Amino acid sequence: DIQMTQSPSTLSASVGDRVTITCRASQSISNWLAWYQQKPGKAPKLLIYKASSLEIGVPSRFSGSASGTEFTLTITSLQPDDFATYYCQQCDSYPWTFGQGTKVEIK
Amino acid sequence: VQLVESGGGVVQPGRSLRLSCAASGFTFNSFNIHWVRQAPGKGLEWVAVIWYDGSNKYYSDSVKGRFTISRDNSKNTLYLQMNSLRAEDTAVYYCARDLSSSRIDYWGQGTLVTVSS
Repeated sequence: DIQMTQSPSTLSASVGDRVTITCRASQSISNWLAWYQQKPGKAPKLLIYKASSLEIGVPSRFSGSASGTEFTLTITSLQPDDFATYYCQQCDSYPWTFGQGTKVEIK
Repeated sequence: VQLVESGGGVVQPGRSLRLSCAASGFTFNSFNIHWVRQAPGKGLEWVAVIWYDGSNKYYSDSVKGRFTISRDNSKNTLYLQMNSLRAEDTAVYYCARDLSSSRIDYWGQGTLVTVSS
């Protein structure tokens, strides 16, 4: 199975900060990676697919990039609505696997 | 697009439970559908997927041999038959639509399964 290692597990930031979350795959997954945002008590929401494609309706302050087996989610200017937990997920092969999650907290 | 899960509840270890997911607002028989679960206070765990026509099914190692995913396209409904339940199966179970085998674009609201004596 492909392991997804996400870091950091928790991130404290202020409104307006640039935030970067990293996800590393245990083997090549090409660009088959998605990012989701989840708020407490709610279902996850798709942000990014195929490593860098922005889902329709998602603000442009969210972006994704890839370099080999390392993937990055960047939020360029953190907004109050962005405080949540973020997950990466590989869709290259079954079983699909998620990263452990990154909780973005208010500093 | 709507996905509405049902069938959750409290069940004793070793017993069975069947979850359902009623889909609407899209052509159900054109999409692969997943089950994803989340234990209380924990991260997301992928459980299983079934092809749009039911021809292929894949499972996580943690549920293989105990859980069975199925669908009835005439009823626009997805199922998860869960047997030999364990305490570690306690979680919110989400059904979720797969788009182009590259992401999950819609999720249900989830149904809570609690395995406890």
